[in-house]
Amino acid sequence: GNSVTQMEGPVTLSEEAFLTINCTYTATGYPSLFWYVQYPGEGLQLLLKATKADDKGSNKGFEATYRKETTSFHLEKGSVQVSDSAVYFCALSPLGGQGAQKLVFGQGTRLTINP
Amino acid sequence: TAGITQAPTSQILAAGRSMTLRCTQDMRHNAMYWYRQDLGLGLRLIHYSNTAGTTGKGEVPDGYSVSRANTDDFPLTLASAVPSQTSVYFCASSAGPNSPLHFGNGTRLTVT
Repeated sequence: GNSVTQMEGPVTLSEEAFLTINCTYTATGYPSLFWYVQYPGEGLQLLLKATKADDKGSNKGFEATYRKETTSFHLEKGSVQVSDSAVYFCALSPLGGQGAQKLVFGQGTRLTINP
Repeated sequence: TAGITQAPTSQILAAGRSMTLRCTQDMRHNAMYWYRQDLGLGLRLIHYSNTAGTTGKGEVPDGYSVSRANTDDFPLTLASAVPSQTSVYFCASSAGPNSPLHFGNGTRLTVT
């Protein structure tokens, strides 16, 4: 079946530090991959996505590259800010879905950035 | 634009009672979803709807029912609540299979 595994949190960093949140997946075929972010008291928002191998998604200084050979989609940012404090979810969407996009989520990684 | 509106924001419910969580979207999206969020488990899909008039079961559908009478509304009903249904419930919508999901702010439900 399809599954997503993220590095366990919580992760605490100082402002301007380099961030990596690991994500690996198991899926049949070639899924689309996503990172969603959840700020306190809010629903999830799409941060970035990649739909095929070697694609790089990027947004707000965050990047993630779809690595088929290692079945990974690690999230990186070169210099984090206090405003990046949130919970980050890696997710996949099985290829060939019709109508609804039935995402499979990882367990989430809580990130706290200290000034 | 409001996007997705969920109600109530939070609720305490006695075991055995029924409850309907409301979800309304104003984006005219075809697909809608209900997820539950539990610590250490991420989000799990309860039910979904490809388009008005159709519904489908997700990963954890037992104890829940949904209806999709029109494009905008997708209520989730717990017929007889149990403590294991204590969770945060998120409604979401998407324009199509390749479009990002838009989430509401969630309903925090505690079943005692």
